[in-house]
Amino acid sequence: AQSVTQLGSHVSVSEGALVLLRCNYSSSVPPYLFWYVQYPNQGLQLLLKYTSAATLVKGINGFEAEFKKSETSFHLTKPSAHMSDAAEYFCAVRAGGTSYGKLTFGQGTILTVHP
Amino acid sequence: GAGVSQSPSNKVTEKGKDVELRCDPISGHTALYWYRQSLGQGLEFLIYFQGNSAPDKSGLPSDRFSAERTGGSVSTLTIQRTQQEDSAVYLCASSPMTGRGGETQYFGPGTRLLVL
Repeated sequence: AQSVTQLGSHVSVSEGALVLLRCNYSSSVPPYLFWYVQYPNQGLQLLLKYTSAATLVKGINGFEAEFKKSETSFHLTKPSAHMSDAAEYFCAVRAGGTSYGKLTFGQGTILTVHP
Repeated sequence: GAGVSQSPSNKVTEKGKDVELRCDPISGHTALYWYRQSLGQGLEFLIYFQGNSAPDKSGLPSDRFSAERTGGSVSTLTIQRTQQEDSAVYLCASSPMTGRGGETQYFGPGTRLLVL
């Protein structure tokens, strides 16, 4: 079985500051890992995903994440926050080797960006 | 191209009534998923279709919930005898089946269900 823990339900940063959203996973097999963003009253949009290729994954809007097997982590970062980054972010896991099947999501982290 | 669409966008119903939620996946996507998003439970998986078959329906919370998919395209999630705890946003997602692994699930905007 797979599970995801997102540390911090709310993160607040100043515009231009580093964004760091934490995600730790548990999986009995090598995982596929995803970060999604949700803006108010919208569905989820994929930011980036890890599928056992490069451990440093670059996504849209300047976000990136690094897969660290030894730490079972997949933290999301962005060097400089923008006001438009304010949203809720979800980390998700699916068992590796399976192209399909359910995603298991973390509880989400609401990112607030202050001017 | 068109993304995943869901209808209605909002639904208010009375306790005990049945509701149907519709999902139109991205054209050509063979896999289709239903999730539920609520304040207390976060994002929960409900059911997964591969074509018209449902290999995994482990997330359906009770026998009041059912779903079907016809023609390998449109899917309908039906909730019978709705309860107040069914109030949530119901999200649909679809993905292609290229066999390369790690397929992305593309989400619709959701149906916001309120049971009074």
